[in-house]
Amino acid sequence: QKEVEQNSGPLSVPEGAIASLNCTYSDRGSQSFFWYRQYSGKSPELIMFIYSNGDKEDGRFTAQLNKASQYVSLLIRDSQPSDSATYLCAVPFWGGGTSYGKLTFGQGTILTVHP
Amino acid sequence: DTGVSQDPRHKITKRGQNVTFRCDPISEHNRLYWYRQTLGQGPEFLTYFQNEAQLEKSRLLSDRFSAERPKGSFSTLEIQRTEQGDSAMYLCASSLGEGQPQHFGDGTRLSIL
Repeated sequence: QKEVEQNSGPLSVPEGAIASLNCTYSDRGSQSFFWYRQYSGKSPELIMFIYSNGDKEDGRFTAQLNKASQYVSLLIRDSQPSDSATYLCAVPFWGGGTSYGKLTFGQGTILTVHP
Repeated sequence: DTGVSQDPRHKITKRGQNVTFRCDPISEHNRLYWYRQTLGQGPEFLTYFQNEAQLEKSRLLSDRFSAERPKGSFSTLEIQRTEQGDSAMYLCASSLGEGQPQHFGDGTRLSIL
């Protein structure tokens, strides 16, 4: 089982729709969760992070965390063509009760927003 | 806040040559990380520093790879005797501390001929 899993997609949504991106993780001790956006040929850009169960909203982005089910999701409301990118879920490795800091990434979900 | 800076942006070299990359983290960040990313995959962890101490190295990091962070400021990643399989994007990130968000530089794209 991979430590962090994402649907690779591609996910295609029309402009103005809600895009829903999902991520599951295997380490029950994980405490923090990050979403990065990566445009083709560019480096990952942090767009959201969440530490507590529930929802966290920032503009058009909402991160949702459910530690009991070990999943974290990212919702993008009013999707725009400029949101077309690969979205990476990242979780710090947590072993033996100590975070070693290194991020384990999912393989990324490719999102395409079409006009 | 000038962000994480990496140099060079692109490096093309022949197999067997040595290459060195530099990363300048965000100034107040004491943690610095190196990752490698190949096409279609998420970044893979290579190594990280807290201040000048290298705290962990991935099993991916063969003896040909070495990283330093003298004085706890910038870091260098050297690859000796490069191989075709070393072709990738090498990413540097920094953070304020453990569990804090990591911010990435633009990366160095390495191509081995």
